[in-house]
Amino acid sequence: QVQLVESGGGVVQPGGSLRLSCAASGFSFSSFGMHWVRQAPGKGLEWVSFIRYDESYKYYADSVKGRFTISRDTSKNTLYLQLDSLTAEDTAVYYCAKAHQYTFPDYWGQGTLVTVSS
Amino acid sequence: DIVMTQSPDSLAVSLGERATINCKSSQSVLYSSNNKNYLAWYQQKAGQPPKLLFYWASTRESGVPDRFSGSGSGTDFTLTISSLQVEDVAVYYCQQYYSTPHSFGQGTKLEIK
Repeated sequence: QVQLVESGGGVVQPGGSLRLSCAASGFSFSSFGMHWVRQAPGKGLEWVSFIRYDESYKYYADSVKGRFTISRDTSKNTLYLQLDSLTAEDTAVYYCAKAHQYTFPDYWGQGTLVTVSS
Repeated sequence: DIVMTQSPDSLAVSLGERATINCKSSQSVLYSSNNKNYLAWYQQKAGQPPKLLFYWASTRESGVPDRFSGSGSGTDFTLTISSLQVEDVAVYYCQQYYSTPHSFGQGTKLEIK
């Protein structure tokens, strides 16, 4: 069965950086795109980024463009999200999600919490 | 960018009664070449990640009870629960995957009356 396990969250100061990881199993990781979606405490879902299965396309929400970088390592079946220049508005649970063939998220991890605070 | 707007923001329905959640997109998410609406619905229970319910606006994901149905086309969509059960208490989100950013609606909180 599909399993997605996020890690790397924690408390970071404003202006700091963090790298999130998402370990994938139970499917052919190299064949599917992947998403990052975040949810601020008590708020709704915000789509953050998508990477195509072959890394040929990477998309970002305007709110994170130029600060976050999505990548993947097929040899490790792992998705990454590099978070730089963090602000309090980036505080959220970050979910990774496998993309269906037609790009919508179909399986989600449990999420990892990022808290930006001094 | 496509803006997704759900209504209502919250909803209280009696057990066994019908619950209806609406989702409106700021532009059509119907792709003319394949006549498919690029619209998904998710259910998120407290403390859990979202769970996919429907894609193509009305295609039920495997394992989703048939009391759930999705409908609509173009810019207006509806998620209906025909007979509300206790386990349906959750926040429901629509999402368009027609174009990036793949925007979500703000969510509709469904409770028992």
